[in-house]
Amino acid sequence: DAGVIQSPRHEVTEMGQEVTLRCKPISGHDYLFWYRQTMMRGLELLIYFNNNVPIDDSGMPEDRFSAKMPNASFSTLKIQPSEPRDSAVYFCASSLGGQGNIQYFGAGTRLSVL
Amino acid sequence: KNEVEQSPQNLTAQEGEFITINCSYSVGISALHWLQQHPGGGIVSLFMLSSGKKKHGRLIATINIQEKHSSLHITASHPRDSAVYICAVFVGGADGLTFGKGTHLIIQP
Repeated sequence: DAGVIQSPRHEVTEMGQEVTLRCKPISGHDYLFWYRQTMMRGLELLIYFNNNVPIDDSGMPEDRFSAKMPNASFSTLKIQPSEPRDSAVYFCASSLGGQGNIQYFGAGTRLSVL
Repeated sequence: KNEVEQSPQNLTAQEGEFITINCSYSVGISALHWLQQHPGGGIVSLFMLSSGKKKHGRLIATINIQEKHSSLHITASHPRDSAVYICAVFVGGADGLTFGKGTHLIIQP
């Protein structure tokens, strides 16, 4: 398997624009996680899905953030409108069986909002 | 909310030294993860522990559930071990992982 695939790897956008980050989990994994990493706050869970259903979105900063998982092989994280404070590295991870099991991380998307 | 503290924040050592990174948490957990983040940014899961000790090559992870503490040890350290090591805990149920801030390790040749 190719592992967890994220796109794009880098995104530079202007404040107010819509940003869409994409993730393809490892085939057969039933959990998918979106994380954000900043220098100040480290890694934080934004939202996770089990069998394509959102389970915990308490980490989503505000209504500007939304995430979907229309099928087992694809998820998106959308920011609309984007703000400079959204600049961070966004990681997607997947696992078989949830947070008590090993998670496999994608390479991350480095987002810069100018 | 579980507080996860790692120490030290930064560690520089010479090649061959024995390395210990510590992780303490405030609330009982179901599992603890150790992650490695390379300078290029990629994150790899090293261990998942719920009790006792695990070993993989030169890496050893231990956990003491009663003391709410885990350690990651690296024997015969090498410059390629230079990375950020992150501890993360899972309380159970529907909660997600809570992460420590990481330990930045540099091994000098």
